[in-house]
Amino acid sequence: DIVMTQSPDSLAVSLGERATINCKSSQSVLYSSNNKNYLAWYQQKPGQPPKLLIYWASTRESGVPDRFSGSGSGTDFTLTISSLQAEDVAVYYCQHYYTAPYSFGQGTKLEIK
Amino acid sequence: EVQLVESGGGLVQPGGSLRLSCAASGFTFSSYWMHWVRQAPGKGLVWVSRINSDGSRINYADSVKGRFTISRDNAKNTLYLQMNSLRAEDTAVYYCARVGEVVPANDRYFDLWGRGTLVTVSS
Repeated sequence: DIVMTQSPDSLAVSLGERATINCKSSQSVLYSSNNKNYLAWYQQKPGQPPKLLIYWASTRESGVPDRFSGSGSGTDFTLTISSLQAEDVAVYYCQHYYTAPYSFGQGTKLEIK
Repeated sequence: EVQLVESGGGLVQPGGSLRLSCAASGFTFSSYWMHWVRQAPGKGLVWVSRINSDGSRINYADSVKGRFTISRDNAKNTLYLQMNSLRAEDTAVYYCARVGEVVPANDRYFDLWGRGTLVTVSS
């Protein structure tokens, strides 16, 4: 089974500054036949279900602000928030969907400094 | 409105059973793989199970294999999770989720989530 590990576990960033969250998979989630990374990022605010932000490692979901971006390939991925806004306070999860069983990272709690 | 609404959660004793439902609306339910994901109080997201569009392909997490059964009724636009032999560690909010692309896509991200239903296993 693929294990997803995020870093850091928590992060405090000043408003308007950049926030970076890392995600590492225990094996590659790059599917060679279509050259796609089977990696998604979700945002979860308290009392709410997760919300899809990024899929295929770097494709932004419709309606997601362009300050959110995803990068990486193979086993190492990054979610970047270019200019932190107050409404971005949340827990962020990476997830692979390369093959079942799917798995999520442990989550990164993002707060305002 | 495109949405998923879970129901059926509640308090159950260890060893007991519960059946969760997920009612889909606003989209062609029969065209999508569906998943269950759970989240213990204060913890992270854990994938539980998935089912393909016609119910012929199913996968489970090892932690629930042999105890939980996923199924669907496309005529009723409803996804189910039958949970037997429940344990304290099954206590969680259970979410149903839709994959982001229609069949034949199978391994895909989750673009639509319900609000979840809480299952508490305790004596």
